[in-house]
Amino acid sequence: RKEVEQDPGPFNVPEGATVAFNCTYSNSASQSFFWYRQDCRKEPKLLMSVYSSGNEDGRFTAQLNRASQYISLLIRDSKLSDSATYLCVVLTGANNLFFGTGTRLTVIP
Amino acid sequence: EAQVTQNPRYLITVTGKKLTVTCSQNMNHEYMSWYRQDPGLGLRQIYYSMNVEVTDKGDVPEGYKVSRKEKRNFPLILESPSPNQTSLYFCASSFQLAGASEQFFGPGTRLTVL
Repeated sequence: RKEVEQDPGPFNVPEGATVAFNCTYSNSASQSFFWYRQDCRKEPKLLMSVYSSGNEDGRFTAQLNRASQYISLLIRDSKLSDSATYLCVVLTGANNLFFGTGTRLTVIP
Repeated sequence: EAQVTQNPRYLITVTGKKLTVTCSQNMNHEYMSWYRQDPGLGLRQIYYSMNVEVTDKGDVPEGYKVSRKEKRNFPLILESPSPNQTSLYFCASSFQLAGASEQFFGPGTRLTVL
């Protein structure tokens, strides 16, 4: 079983739509969670960390559900510039950082 | 400008010809790591380093070597490359432990082994 699993998509949504991605992780001892964004042929960049109480950054909201072992990312009022692949990242143990395969989002005009 | 640099960005080589991909960061980060990214498999860690002269294996270390003689540099060495090492490689650095701080990635090195 993979450490981190994501629906690869693609998600094709119109501008202005709300879209949500989920990511599940297998190790209940995982302690830190992140969403990274990766544009085509570019390096990943941190979008936001995910805190236990949930957190928001502008149009982006991240949630953590430890009981069900999943994290989510909600994007409101989608922009064309949000088109990218979103990587779920989980830290397990001292230095074991696991990346999901990514969910591809395309925002359509 | 704070950044992670990798060289070369693109490399086509042949089986068995030793190569080195350099990685350098100017942020005084202690933690550095190498990943490879393959379709359907995501990013997988090859090696990481907690500090100078401290390196450890990640998930897919076979066929790779690293060294950390200086804090800023973390080269990836393929002693005898094989076609299954054709991939997109990323170097990353962070201030401390892997998850405690943001990972800064280099621009990537696209390697093709014929």
